[in-house]
Amino acid sequence: GAVVSQHPSRVICKSGTSVKIECRSLDFQATTMFWYRQFPKKSLMLMATSNEGSKATYEQGVEKDKFLINHASLTLSTLTVTSAHPEDSSFYICSARVNLDRGLFSPYNEQFFGPGTRLTVL
Amino acid sequence: LAKTTQPISMDSYEGQEVNITCSHNNIATNDYITWYQQFPSQGPRFIIQGYKTKVTNEVASLFIPADRKSSTLSLPRVSLSDTAVYYCLVASVKAAGNKLTFGGGTRVLVKP
Repeated sequence: GAVVSQHPSRVICKSGTSVKIECRSLDFQATTMFWYRQFPKKSLMLMATSNEGSKATYEQGVEKDKFLINHASLTLSTLTVTSAHPEDSSFYICSARVNLDRGLFSPYNEQFFGPGTRLTVL
Repeated sequence: LAKTTQPISMDSYEGQEVNITCSHNNIATNDYITWYQQFPSQGPRFIIQGYKTKVTNEVASLFIPADRKSSTLSLPRVSLSDTAVYYCLVASVKAAGNKLTFGGGTRVLVKP
């Protein structure tokens, strides 16, 4: 199956610093990647849709200047948490959608998720 | 996006079959149903996907009635390692960016 990686898997930083998280599709090209945030015992919340070669689309309530997204290539999207604060501490997960046009009932329309990045802001 | 409703939690024992039913009353014609499994501190893992009737793979079966207003994920003979949160999602192949909206999920606890 398609593999998505994230780096780093865990990061601890001081308040006020910026943190970059990378999301890579290892064996397929993904023009669309997604970034989620998950708090303990809660469900995943979609933050933004990252499109290769264009600006990301942010969900309502997500600050685009706070969470910078860059999708520079078909296999890499980055999320930068700028001026991080303790309330930004969370589990950040990316996903990538396989771009295989196999029709409405295709089994390949699912998204593949990365392993997640645990961000702790002190 | 169709809203989904599933039980918050379920307990089971090793070797039993676990069935999780998800309601999606306002599912649209172009929507398909996908189930994901998530372990603590890991990203969700695709389990199974379907549009109608029954789909079976090596880990689970998905039953979808004719009206498609619900679906049931069936996990045969669960083991302790199947303890996880299971998410039912409905998404349209024609939706821009094919966004997935996660509901609360079902926390399955498999006991020895």
